[in-house]
Amino acid sequence: GAGVSQSPSNKVTEKGKDVELRCDPISGHTALYWYRQSLGQGLEFLIYFQGNSAPDKSGLPSDRFSAERTGGSVSTLTIQRTQQEDSAVYLCASSISSGGYTDTQYFGPGTRLTVL
Amino acid sequence: SQELEQSPQSLIVQEGKNLTINCTSSKTLYGLYWYKQKYGEGLIFLMMLQKGGEEKSHEKITAKLDEKKQQSSLHITASQPSHAGIYLCGADPFSYSGAGSYQLTFGKGTKLSVIP
Repeated sequence: GAGVSQSPSNKVTEKGKDVELRCDPISGHTALYWYRQSLGQGLEFLIYFQGNSAPDKSGLPSDRFSAERTGGSVSTLTIQRTQQEDSAVYLCASSISSGGYTDTQYFGPGTRLTVL
Repeated sequence: SQELEQSPQSLIVQEGKNLTINCTSSKTLYGLYWYKQKYGEGLIFLMMLQKGGEEKSHEKITAKLDEKKQQSSLHITASQPSHAGIYLCGADPFSYSGAGSYQLTFGKGTKLSVIP
C-alpha cells in the first residue's frame, strides 16, 4: 500500500500561533515516531507511539509540544505558541512494531514549518 | 549518548565516478541504517546492517559494517545524477543501555552532488 503520508507539506505561521501537523502511517504499522530536522542540527527524536501503550515523550523539547495518536493510526503533532526556533522539517516514521534494531522505520516526506 | 560522525560532510563528483561515504560510531553498532534524503521526499530507506563484516548491495550501492561494528561505509559505483541527495546513517541504540530503546540516532548527513 501507500507509504507514510504527512500534511501539510509546508506550513508558514506567525510567532505565537498554534499549529497541527498530521501523519498517516503505513497501514498495519503499530509503531509511530516523530522526528525534527533543523538546519545544522540533524535529525532529533521527539516522540514515539507503540500500539495502545503510553507514548515515550522524552524527546519533546518543551511543554508547548504535544502529540496524540487516535485509534492506533493517525497521529497529530501540535505545537502551541510557536517560536522561531520551532522552524524545521518535522518527519514522521512508522514501523511494523517496536523491536529495536530489527525494525526498519519508514519515513514520510515531512512537513516544513516556518515560523515568522 | 550515541554519536554518529559522517564524512565527508559534502561531496561533489563527476558522473561515472565511484565514491565512498563513512559513518563512524563512538559505540558498538547493533543496527545501522542508511537512508537517502531528497527535498520533499523525506528519508528513503536504503539498507540495514547488523552483523560485523556484513555487506549488502542494491543496484550500484554497497554498504558495509566493519568487524568491530563501529564503522560503516556506503560505496556508490559509477555515480549518476539520480544518486544526488543527502545520505544519512542512523543507529538504533537498543543494545547500548540494554533497557530497550527504539528511536534512531542519526549522523548529520553527507550531501552528494553528481555533475553530469
